Amino acid sequence: QSALTQPASVSGSPGQSITISCTGTRSDVGGYNYVSWYQQHPGKAPKLMIYDVTYRPSGVSNRFSGSKSGNTASLTISGLQAEDEADYYCASYTSSNTVIFGGGTKLTVL
Amino acid sequence: EVQVVESGGGLVQPGGSLRLSCAASGFTFSNFWMSWVRQAPGKGLEWVANIKQDGSEKYYVDSVKGRFTISRDNAKNSLYLQMNSLRVEDTAMYYCAKKGGAHGFDNWGQGTLVTVSS
Repeated sequence: QSALTQPASVSGSPGQSITISCTGTRSDVGGYNYVSWYQQHPGKAPKLMIYDVTYRPSGVSNRFSGSKSGNTASLTISGLQAEDEADYYCASYTSSNTVIFGGGTKLTVL
Repeated sequence: EVQVVESGGGLVQPGGSLRLSCAASGFTFSNFWMSWVRQAPGKGLEWVANIKQDGSEKYYVDSVKGRFTISRDNAKNSLYLQMNSLRVEDTAMYYCAKKGGAHGFDNWGQGTLVTVSS
């Protein structure tokens, strides 16, 4: 049960777009459309941003979008804003009915 | 308003036990899978366990199998995590998380801190 692979950090300037990748295997990311993404600000609980690869919960900005190709899922944030600076985690359900998270990506807004 | 509130964390010695609770409100608790997710200080999120609506299915991360037990009481709208044989590496903030109708944790508590230390 190794963690999904995410880049440790990404950065971008206000107004730009960034993409965070999340790589797994055929037993998790590649096998199901059950990838979700979470935003976590320091000292706060995680917040669901994307579920089932591409769907946004009510209230989440449409600047956030998700996609998947093969064993890699991606989160794209467009029109970067200062408030987007946070840690981002992907997660996937697995063939064993368990859940696996990515190691997390720290987003810095320059 | 949907809310989940954890309690029961604290300081415990290695080898000790602790029982975490999660009180749910604002939704029909018995209709949803529930999970525990933990986060060690300065580290990433780690899923710990989940339980089906009626408690008939339970799954665990390998590192806690045989030591932790997840359970629920739908009459009390409560989720539990019994933690035995605790290790230093179990030190973390433990979050109660509700799985939405699809595959994502759509509501999280603020967490309860478990510290395992001698």
